[in-house]
Amino acid sequence: GAVVSQHPSWVICKSGTSVKIECRSLDFQATTMFWYRQFPKQSLMLMATSNEGSKATYEQGVEKDKFLINHASLTLSTLTVTSAHPEDSSFYICSAAQDGYTFGSGTRLTVV
Amino acid sequence: GEDVEQSLFLSVREGDSSVINCTYTDSSSTYLYWYKQEPGAGLQLLTYIFSNMDMKQDQRLTVLLNKKDKHLSLRIADTQTGDSAIYFCAERGLRGGGGADGLTFGKGTHLIIQP
Repeated sequence: GAVVSQHPSWVICKSGTSVKIECRSLDFQATTMFWYRQFPKQSLMLMATSNEGSKATYEQGVEKDKFLINHASLTLSTLTVTSAHPEDSSFYICSAAQDGYTFGSGTRLTVV
Repeated sequence: GEDVEQSLFLSVREGDSSVINCTYTDSSSTYLYWYKQEPGAGLQLLTYIFSNMDMKQDQRLTVLLNKKDKHLSLRIADTQTGDSAIYFCAERGLRGGGGADGLTFGKGTHLIIQP
């Protein structure tokens, strides 16, 4: 079946630095990928839709300048959390629309 | 916005059936999904159902959809300790504009298995 690989699985960074998270479709091409955020014991909230070759579409309330999304190829989308702050600490999960939406294993971001 | 509701916890005895319920508000939902999340892990697709179906069965899993009441359920037969996880209900609505749409998730039901 379809596999989505997400890296890193966890990262700790200092406040003010930027962190890049990668999401790759391993055995299929994904023109559309999705980025979600999950707070502890909460649901997944859709942050943005990443479209290959065009600008990402952000959900209401998500700062596009803070959460930069790049989808330069059909198999790779990246999410960069810029100038990270402790409130950005969360579990970030990417997904690709293939076989009923396949999800990556998630990235646990901790900003200290 | 659209909403998906689930109970937060369900406790069952090992070997019994588990029934996890979900309600949603989006009348344009096309597909409804059930995902499983184990601690610290990503989401594993368990099953999905198209909105014009009433029921779908896959081994120990049975999905029932009542579109009129916007109610979805997941039944796990012969529940085992390995079924302990958080189960998310999610729906895909029609947002227009073509292309794939993101999912709207419930908060997840934590399934607890008693020995």
